[in-house]
Amino acid sequence: EVQLVQSGAEVKKPGESLKISCKGSGYSFTNYWIGWVRQMPGKGLEWMGIIYPGDSDTRYSPSIQGQVTMSVETSINTAYMQWSSLKASDTAIYYCVRERISTGTNSLDVWGQGTTVTVSS
Amino acid sequence: QSVLTQPPSVSAAPGQKVTISCSGSSSNIGHNYVSWYQQFPGAAPKLLIYDNDKRPSGIPDRFSGSKSGASATLAITGLQTGDEADYYCGTWDRSLRGGVFGGGTKVTVL
Repeated sequence: EVQLVQSGAEVKKPGESLKISCKGSGYSFTNYWIGWVRQMPGKGLEWMGIIYPGDSDTRYSPSIQGQVTMSVETSINTAYMQWSSLKASDTAIYYCVRERISTGTNSLDVWGQGTTVTVSS
Repeated sequence: QSVLTQPPSVSAAPGQKVTISCSGSSSNIGHNYVSWYQQFPGAAPKLLIYDNDKRPSGIPDRFSGSKSGASATLAITGLQTGDEADYYCGTWDRSLRGGVFGGGTKVTVL
């Protein structure tokens, strides 16, 4: 079974750092883009960026650029997203997704269960 | 403000049909395929339609997608109470060089 399993919920204070993970299984991890999608409380989906595990090529949404860092560790089929200094506005559910990208198309065909991040003093 | 525009809500009686529109521009829907996602409360979204009109394995044919110009439509026929969920359209945007979503549409079965 193809699946993405994410790390558990986090509660942090403003200014703290955080790294969440997403482990893929059931498919060739290095051959598919991994994306991250944010969903703020009561809001819609927001595309944050993608990383290609095969060569770590990374693309960020203009609104996200500089706020997070995406990375992968192919030896354990795991993708990460990290913050160096969290803000209250980072409170959200973060989904990792397997993103199928080719000319003219991108579809998010496998979703992780989501990681809830709460940032509060 | 989402790049793609969807109605906030649609509703219909059981057994009826609903359609959800998704409006974009030449930099996104106009030149790229559209996907649709279904999200139940408290759950992760799920791919419902990809490449405008294709259904992943296991998705009933009551769900269908279409695209014309810079707009796309999701149709749900034979509406069931179990279809009550939020639905999002998504595609790639050439100008932004990234993925974009609609704001989501809540489907209510009356």
